[in-house]
Order: sequence, then C-alpha cells, then structure tokens
Amino acid sequence: GENVEQHPSTLSVQEGDSAVIKCTYSDSASNYFPWYKQELGKGPQLIIDIRSNVGEKKDQRIAVTLNKTAKHFSLHITETQPEDSAVYFCAAPANGGSQGNLIFGKGTKLSVKP
Amino acid sequence: DGGITQSPKYLFRKEGQNVTLSCEQNLNHDAMYWYRQDPGQGLRLIYYSQIVNDFQKGDIAEGYSVSREKKESFPLTVTSAQKNPTAFYLCASSIRLAGEGTGELFFGEGSRLTVL
Repeated sequence: GENVEQHPSTLSVQEGDSAVIKCTYSDSASNYFPWYKQELGKGPQLIIDIRSNVGEKKDQRIAVTLNKTAKHFSLHITETQPEDSAVYFCAAPANGGSQGNLIFGKGTKLSVKP
Repeated sequence: DGGITQSPKYLFRKEGQNVTLSCEQNLNHDAMYWYRQDPGQGLRLIYYSQIVNDFQKGDIAEGYSVSREKKESFPLTVTSAQKNPTAFYLCASSIRLAGEGTGELFFGEGSRLTVL
C-alpha cells in the first residue's frame, strides 16, 4: 500500500520569506496529490492539488511541484504572511487510487513570524 | 449554508462506555469518511462509505463502528473495545471517492473526545 512521508514536521519563517514542505510517496501508480491546510480548531481544507500528468501547478502565492521519477512532491509558499500559519498535510491515493481514499502525511506546522 | 456538521464539539466519557459522534452533510455528497487525528500522527482513516448502506474499514477500524442509513448522515460509535479513544475525530465528505483524483474532501470542524 501507499506510504507518505512529510518533512519537516515544524517550520518557522519570517514574514515575507518562502516556505517549502516536501513529501515522498511509495506507490508509482499514484496519480493525484492534494495539499490540505488546517487552521487551529478547524478541519483541514484543500488548498491545491496536482495530477501526475503535470510537473507544476500554481495558484497565486502557492505552488506544488511533482517529480514522478523520484516520487516526491513539494508545496511552495512565497511571500509568507502570518495567516499562512497552520498545519499543512500532503496526501496520495491509497493503492494507486483503486481503494478510493487518501493516505495523509503526518503534517507540517508552519509558523510565520511577523 | 452547505457544509459538514459534527457534534458534539467536546465530549467526555468514562472508561467502558460507548459514545456516538454525529456527522451530517448537506452537500449531497456520495462519499463520507471518519478520520482520527493525534498529535504528530497526521490523519488516519477509520471508516469510509461510498454510498448508503455500504462502508469499508480504514486503517484503524478496530474498536469503532459506523452506519450509513441516510446519504446525509454517517455517525461513528467509539466502543469500549477501543483501547485509546482520546483523540480529535474529523468527519469528511466528497462528491466521489477522494482517491480518484476529483473528490476534494470537505471536513467538519471535528469532535474532541476525552476518556476520563
């Protein structure tokens, strides 16, 4: 089955700097990689996702890159702001998508210092 | 407003008692899920359901039970057989199964269960 590893577990940056969170996955059949953001006291919310037929996707200050050969994908946040402080989770489909649910990484707590 | 409603937000239980967590959605989604969140452990899948009257075990189903009698509702029962039930529980739904690439998960705000 799929295994997703996420690093780092905590990340602290100054406001305006960039932040990068990396995930690796094990199942080469996986084809969909979402990122979720969880603010304190709330449920996670999808912020961006990427399919395996593209290498990069951007949405304003956030971007996700995918390296299928190395089986890793990364979340990039530029010009960080205090409201970016949250826990971020990456995910990949269980069993290459055939099982119908997602396997999540253990999360990265991002702190943006003003 | 459309969304997922979990209740109660906080729940305390004595050891040996069963407890049921409620999850209701008005998004007309077919798929629903229960996740458990522990510090440093990410989100672990307990059960999921693709359709009414059908559900599948996730990675940590032992000590839990679910039902899906209505499309909008997917309650989770934490039984006395669950050895370490204190955790934050999240319910989610999606139009279709999330692993198929188009099923964005919509989460509720969670229920925090504490066993005394």
